[in-house]
Amino acid sequence: AQSVTQPDIHITVSEGASLELRCNYSYGATPYLFWYVQSPGQGLQLLLKYFSGDTLVQGIKGFEAEFKRSQSSFNLRKPSVHWSDAAEYFCAVGNAGNMLTFGGGTRLMVKP
Amino acid sequence: NAGVTQTPKFQVLKTGQSMTLQCAQDMNHEYMSWYRQDPGMGLRLIHYSVGAGITDQGEVPNGYNVSRSTTEDFPLRLLSAAPSQTSVYFCASSYRQGRRGRQHFGDGTRLSIL
Repeated sequence: AQSVTQPDIHITVSEGASLELRCNYSYGATPYLFWYVQSPGQGLQLLLKYFSGDTLVQGIKGFEAEFKRSQSSFNLRKPSVHWSDAAEYFCAVGNAGNMLTFGGGTRLMVKP
Repeated sequence: NAGVTQTPKFQVLKTGQSMTLQCAQDMNHEYMSWYRQDPGMGLRLIHYSVGAGITDQGEVPNGYNVSRSTTEDFPLRLLSAAPSQTSVYFCASSYRQGRRGRQHFGDGTRLSIL
C-alpha cells in the first residue's frame, strides 16, 4: 500500500529565509508526486507535480521540489520565504487510478 | 466554467440524522472522489468513481455511500451521522489515465455532528 510521511508537523522560519519541507513516500511503482498548499479555511491549491523526467520540478509561487528515488523523498524548497507563504502544505502520491494518498501535512509559520 | 462545486459549505447535524453532500463538476472529468480532512491526518480517500455507474471504496468508506448516475455529479451520503464524521469534506475530479493532470478540488464542506 502506498503511504506518505511528512516528518515535520510545524515549521517556523523567518521571512526571507530559505525553506525545505520534507516528504517521504512508499509506493511500489514509479510514483506520481504532488505538493499542495492550503490556506486557513480554504481549499487545496496545487503547487507542483512530478510524473517523470527531470527530477527537479518547478512550481508556482517560486517553489521547487526534487524527486530522489534512492531516498524515496520529494522535498519542497523555496529560497526566500514571504509572509504570505504561511499555510499548511501537503505532500501526496497518486496511484494509477489518479487517487491520492496524502501526508499528514506541515504547518508553516513565518516570523516577520 | 465553475470547476468543482460543493454544497453546502457548512452543515450541523445531530447524531443519527442523514444527509447528502453534493458535488458537481463541469469539466467532463471521468474520475471523481471524496476525501475527508482531519487535523494531523491530511486528507483520506472515502470513495471514488472512475465513470458513471462505477464506484469503489477508498481508505475510510464506513458510514458513507456514493453513487454516480451522471458524469457531472457524485453525491456523498451519510446514512446515520456520528460524531466521528465531524470533518471537512473535499470532492475532487480529474481526467483519467493517459491525460493525467491535476486533481481539481472543490472548496470543501465543513460538517459538524453533535
